[in-house]
Amino acid sequence: AQKITQTQPGMFVQEKEAVTLDCTYDTSDQSYGLFWYKQPSSGEMIFLIYQGSYDEQNATEGRYSLNFQKARKSANLVISASQLGDSAMYFCAMRSSGANSKLTFGKGITLSVRP
Amino acid sequence: SQTIHQWPATLVQPVGSPLSLECTVEGTSNPNLYWYRQAAGRGLQLLFYSVGIGQISSEVPQNLSASRPQDRQFILSSKKLLLSDSGFYLCAWRRGLGVDYGYTFGSGTRLTVV
Repeated sequence: AQKITQTQPGMFVQEKEAVTLDCTYDTSDQSYGLFWYKQPSSGEMIFLIYQGSYDEQNATEGRYSLNFQKARKSANLVISASQLGDSAMYFCAMRSSGANSKLTFGKGITLSVRP
Repeated sequence: SQTIHQWPATLVQPVGSPLSLECTVEGTSNPNLYWYRQAAGRGLQLLFYSVGIGQISSEVPQNLSASRPQDRQFILSSKKLLLSDSGFYLCAWRRGLGVDYGYTFGSGTRLTVV
């Protein structure tokens, strides 16, 4: 069974600073993918970044990067140069290989960016 | 390009009334489709998924059911709503079979049962 753990309480960051959102996972599968989604107050789920379990380099997408530490089973999201529009809920998720595997989500972290 | 449509955006229903939420996908064929529910301030719980027409898998026992009458249509239903059915319902589809394909979500339906 897969499990995603996000235990940080609400996070606060000053505008233009960097912030790290923590995510740990548990799986017995060798091949899996890790995802981060952003959910603003409107409710839509916005895909941010993906990391494959066999990827040797950390994924980056613009201001987003994923600090992947496979041995520790952690996949932390780093947001650089925070903007006010980054205030939202952030979800870490995982999916194993297989045609019918499902995306399992953590409980999410609320990020507030202060001006 | 592929798009996913979900409606209605908001819904207020009395306890005991029926429910029908619809989700359709455009620009792709034979997608895997999913219904998730999000309670207030919580993560997403997978309710149902479908790998093809008429094929429905339920993840948790509940007061809801799902159907897939057409390849790109996924419907979430209830015969009699409970207060506990309130929440934010999200439909999603998956682009491909590889592990690197995440899900694309609809805009969601906010359901309040009163």
